[in-house]
Amino acid sequence: AQKVTQAQTEISVVEKEDVTLDCVYETRDTTYYLFWYKQPPSGELVFLIRRNSFDEQNEISGRYSWNFQKSTSSFNFTITASQVVDSAVYFCALKENNFNKFYFGSGTKLNVKP
Amino acid sequence: DTEVTQTPKHLVMGMTNKKSLKCEQHMGHRAMYWYKQKAKKPPELMFVYSYEKLSINESVPSRFSPECPNSSLLNLHLHALQPEDSALYLCASSTSRGVDAGELFFGEGSRLTVL
Repeated sequence: AQKVTQAQTEISVVEKEDVTLDCVYETRDTTYYLFWYKQPPSGELVFLIRRNSFDEQNEISGRYSWNFQKSTSSFNFTITASQVVDSAVYFCALKENNFNKFYFGSGTKLNVKP
Repeated sequence: DTEVTQTPKHLVMGMTNKKSLKCEQHMGHRAMYWYKQKAKKPPELMFVYSYEKLSINESVPSRFSPECPNSSLLNLHLHALQPEDSALYLCASSTSRGVDAGELFFGEGSRLTVL
């Protein structure tokens, strides 16, 4: 079974629109970690955020915000006032306790048009 | 700039060649990873080294041979590859040894083409 599901394969928005990328995860561990990565066309995966399972506080960093809800096993990512430079593939990932193994979702390609 | 350095950035090889991909990090991380990524797909874990010991091998064919000479270096030796092995090979490192998960820091990748 998929441990991380990103149901949105591709999203297109016009610059300055807000956009939310969905991530749903599945785990039986009580301690786990969630991540978001950005992969621009250049190829390098860039770390955006980490969330521990015991910390449900939402986080805002500039135009980026993350909504972590254990009740629905979701860790959604919102970009406010999107810009062309936000165009990339975004991956959500899960790491369970005791293993150096990260489970990646299939990714969401975001196209921001001028 | 990324703190994980991968060389070469591009590699073209024939099916009978032997080549190596190299990865270096100086962040003091003790876990290092090789991922393979095909176009429009997520990264796929190949190997994990923890404290210079191979801890995870995701049933990777033996034509891929990892090596961790020291805590800063990770190599991937390639031999008798197939055209379907063409992909972006990503190296990553983390502080994680299991319980306390650090995020993965990725290199820019080595784009491999097998002819």
